Amino acid sequence: TQLLEQSPQFLSIQEGENLTVYCNSSSVFSSLQWYRQEPGEGPVLLVTVVTGGEVKKLKRLTFQFGDARKDSSLHITAAQPGDTGLYLCAGARLEDMRFGAGTRLTVKP
Amino acid sequence: ETGVTQSPTHLIKTRGQQVTLRCSSQSGHNTVSWYQQALGQGPQFIFQYYREEENGRGNFPPRFSGLQFPNYSSELNVNALELDDSALYLCASSPGGPDSFQQYFGPGTRLTVT
Repeated sequence: TQLLEQSPQFLSIQEGENLTVYCNSSSVFSSLQWYRQEPGEGPVLLVTVVTGGEVKKLKRLTFQFGDARKDSSLHITAAQPGDTGLYLCAGARLEDMRFGAGTRLTVKP
Repeated sequence: ETGVTQSPTHLIKTRGQQVTLRCSSQSGHNTVSWYQQALGQGPQFIFQYYREEENGRGNFPPRFSGLQFPNYSSELNVNALELDDSALYLCASSPGGPDSFQQYFGPGTRLTVT
């Protein structure tokens, strides 16, 4: 069982649609990060959230950290084919960084 | 500014052999972490090095070992390779010490064990 559960595992949508992916855990994290990973490449950091309840916006992407610092969501508005990729959340604890298994997003033109 | 680089990009080894993977951290970053990413999974934390000392370790056996050098570059060594060791091995560097999980990943080394 993963410490961080991401849902859905797979998501296929049409260009222009909105979507939300979730990252849930029973553990508390000091910070939570979202990454996007393309095939054959390392993950690229999108955002770090630190404070419970924090909301950060990055163009069409909105990230929220849960009040209890155990969960997070990523909302994409008007998805584009360039948003296609594997979205990973990662929670930082004192001793390590734990990743979820990811949500594989496909945006069809 | 040069990003994180890893070598080699691909590697094929036989079960029982030993392998060394290399990572050059981003300029000014003094902390390096190594991850194993199996196909279809998220990265799994192997260990972290800060100023040449191991600073944390995930649930990996002792045959996974590492080094960090004075220039903050790093090596991951795996002895007695097993088929399940086949994966993408990622290195990530961080500025500001082990409390900073603001990580920047390299492109990874794809290891295949046959």
